[in-house]
This record gives sequence, C-alpha cells and structure tokens, in this order.
Amino acid sequence: LAKTTQPISMDSYEGQEVNITCSHNNIATNDYITWYQQFPSQGPRFIIQGYKTKVTNEVASLFIPADRKSSTLSLPRVSLSDTAVYYCLAAPYGQNFVFGPGTRLSVLP
Amino acid sequence: DADVTQTPRNRITKTGKRIMLECSQTKGHDRMYWYRQDPGLGLRLIYYSFDVKDINKGEISDGYSVSRQAQAKFSLSLESAIPNQTALYFCATSDPDREGYGYTFGSGTRLTVV
Repeated sequence: LAKTTQPISMDSYEGQEVNITCSHNNIATNDYITWYQQFPSQGPRFIIQGYKTKVTNEVASLFIPADRKSSTLSLPRVSLSDTAVYYCLAAPYGQNFVFGPGTRLSVLP
Repeated sequence: DADVTQTPRNRITKTGKRIMLECSQTKGHDRMYWYRQDPGLGLRLIYYSFDVKDINKGEISDGYSVSRQAQAKFSLSLESAIPNQTALYFCATSDPDREGYGYTFGSGTRLTVV
C-alpha cells in the first residue's frame, strides 16, 4: 500500500478556499486516491475518490497531476462546519485502506 | 435509520471482563471491517471480513476476536479487556463493485476499560 504524507494541521477562515495536499511518492499504477472527512466522535465520511486529473462533486474537488505522486483536496468557501480531520488514502481498488493521522483543519470565524 | 449501526455507543467495563461490540448494516455490502482509533491517531484495522465465511486479521488483532454471523452482522469481542484497549471503535462496510470503493462507517463505540 502506498504511504501517504499530509500536513498534520491547517487553519483557514470562513469563506476561503482550502487546499490540502497529500504526497504519495510510491503510488502504484493500480492505486486509487480517496479522501475522507471525520468530525469528532463520528466515523469518517467518504468525500471523493479519483485516479487521475480532476474529479469534482458537490462537496469537493480532487486534483491529481499526471505523475500521480501527490493529490490536492480542494474545499470551496469553507464554513465553521468544515472543521474536521481529513484523511488521504491510496490503495488498489478492492484492497484495504490504511488511515494515517490525517490533517486537522480548523476553520476560524 | 443509519446504514451502519453500532451498539453500544458507550461502554465502561472492568479489566478482565469479556465484552462484545456489535455492528449491523443495511447497505447490503459484503465487506465489513473493525477499526480502532486512539486520540490523535488515525484508524487502525483490527479485523475484516469479505463475506460470511471469510475472516482476516488486520494490523492489531491481538486481544480481539470477531464473528460474522450474517452478511449484515459483524461483532468484535475483547476476550479479556485491558486498559490499553480503551479507545473509539468503528465498524465499516464497503462494496467495491457498487460505490467506487468508499467505506461507510458507523458512529462508533466508545469503550473504556477500568
């Protein structure tokens, strides 16, 4: 499984766009990149998944460059309710995910 | 009703006691998982099951056992609870053929061993 590295914490202000970058230098050809969001005392929630280029849904966008050694989760116009821990994972389709410590995002008023 | 339901939500037990955490799902997913989360850390996989007859150890299975009673039910047991098993436990399900391989997690069971 590819090892992922992401910042331990980030601060932002309401209304700003937040970009969280994840490094996965040893990503394999068949690895997919998946992001989860976790609020305190709740289970992680699937946000978005991609393989290459750009994926967008109603919650976020995921940018993956051609070499796939990193990925960026983009949250548009964050609010206080986006304060959470965000996990980046890379694994082949159908295999188990390894959740690292994630990035603790704090959105300030 | 939640797609993945864990019971109990909170439990305090004494050292040496046997305890079972239960998980049931209405997603119809074949794959089920048990994770443990300690403060400030990510989730660590305890056991997983890809179907009713399949049980696999994760990275921290020592001191735990599981039972997959049906497609919808996956229980985690602590045979003899110890204080360092105090943690937040999550059950999850997935079906790679259906939903792009995202996990659906339950709300967690907060276990305290005294």
